[in-house]
Amino acid sequence: GAGVSQSPSNKVTEKGKDVELRCDPISGHTALYWYRQSLGQGLEFLIYFQGNSAPDKSGLPSDRFSAERTGGSVSTLTIQRTQQEDSAVYLCASSLTKIPGDTQYFGPGTRLTVL
Amino acid sequence: AQSVTQLGSHVSVSEGALVLLRCNYSSSVPPYLFWYVQYPNQGLQLLLKYTTGATLVKGINGFEAEFKKSETSFHLTKPSAHMSDAAEYFCAVSLPNAGKSTFGDGTTLTVKP
Repeated sequence: GAGVSQSPSNKVTEKGKDVELRCDPISGHTALYWYRQSLGQGLEFLIYFQGNSAPDKSGLPSDRFSAERTGGSVSTLTIQRTQQEDSAVYLCASSLTKIPGDTQYFGPGTRLTVL
Repeated sequence: AQSVTQLGSHVSVSEGALVLLRCNYSSSVPPYLFWYVQYPNQGLQLLLKYTTGATLVKGINGFEAEFKKSETSFHLTKPSAHMSDAAEYFCAVSLPNAGKSTFGDGTTLTVKP
């Protein structure tokens, strides 16, 4: 596609429910990143994929958070038993290579609201 | 480990005035540095980046930034602000051996007519 796409654009859920957020990176990009942006704050790194493997999961805040990537393309971020503090905008980015400094292209984000 | 501090969460300038957004970093090794812009309800867009070489980096929309190792700074400037520059700006740093970036808290730029 022309850019990174994410779905849904908005998600409202009740506390305790599970949610899945999807990211479609730019075709051919091997590296994929998930970040979280809370209100009035910068981006917080969650997880990084190179191909289908995740060499860096250091930013996942708890074991309720998991992510996978299939076919070296689409990635899904799953949050189980959502809590109100999970409310944030979840951003996905992709880059052509894993080389540090390679430009990351961001999607528009998924705004998650946990009631 | 690395960190980024953006001085001033809100900056207001008049149209045509100089834009200066400050960014200081902390890193154990020479870092890669980035500035991103985020317009309302849109994703982040790369303005410019410094990896190696020339320390004065020119980006899109007339922005530039200078890497000053001695001051651990990477301030973003534009000689003349335009109304369309109103947005949130993020400074980010990554290590040469790691793909992830660490972001500052952002600076909201307001441009007054």
